[in-house]
Amino acid sequence: AQTVTQSQPEMSVQEAETVTLSCTYDTSESDYYLFWYKQPPSRQMILVIRQEAYKQQNATENRFSVNFQKAAKSFSLKISDSQLGDAAMYFCAYTPPLSSGSARQLTFGSGTQLTVLP
Amino acid sequence: DTAVSQTPKYLVTQMGNDKSIKCEQNLGHDTMYWYKQDSKKFLKIMFSYNNKELIINETVPNRFSPKSPDKAHLNLHINSLELGDSAVYFCASSRTNLASETQYFGPGTRLLVL
Repeated sequence: AQTVTQSQPEMSVQEAETVTLSCTYDTSESDYYLFWYKQPPSRQMILVIRQEAYKQQNATENRFSVNFQKAAKSFSLKISDSQLGDAAMYFCAYTPPLSSGSARQLTFGSGTQLTVLP
Repeated sequence: DTAVSQTPKYLVTQMGNDKSIKCEQNLGHDTMYWYKQDSKKFLKIMFSYNNKELIINETVPNRFSPKSPDKAHLNLHINSLELGDSAVYFCASSRTNLASETQYFGPGTRLLVL
């Protein structure tokens, strides 16, 4: 069974600084997808960034980038130039390929609550 | 022009009652999901439908029954509500059920069972 672990329940960062949120996962698959979702106080789940395991290049979306270490099964999220609007709960998620035989579903980590200090 | 909408946003009810939560997506997606987020913010898949067909059914009590009248709707009916059912329920959709697809989430329905 796949598991996703976020070992930092809470993090804080000063506005305009950089912060890295950790995520590790466990899988026997070689091809899969990883996501970071953001949940602000409004409770909406918003996709931040997505990474395909077969791609060596780390995904980047504006101020958000990932450090994907496949051998270590690590998928951290870096937020540069943090803004007050980045304050939210961040969830790391994993999904296997459809070909794996397991029904496609997102497995979420327990979340990291990010506070941005003015 | 909300992409994934859920009604109601809040639901407070007594133990033993039956209630429904509705979900609609206007994205033309084939696949829809229901997730439960507990008080510790842990998110877990409950059901998934692809083209109105059930493809994921996690270990969920029989009291929970999803219904998909068409591709754009996936409703969740809960019988004999229990205190432990209190949670935030999220509906989501994706273009297909391929692993590469992004899921788009609704705003959530906060259910409180008294």
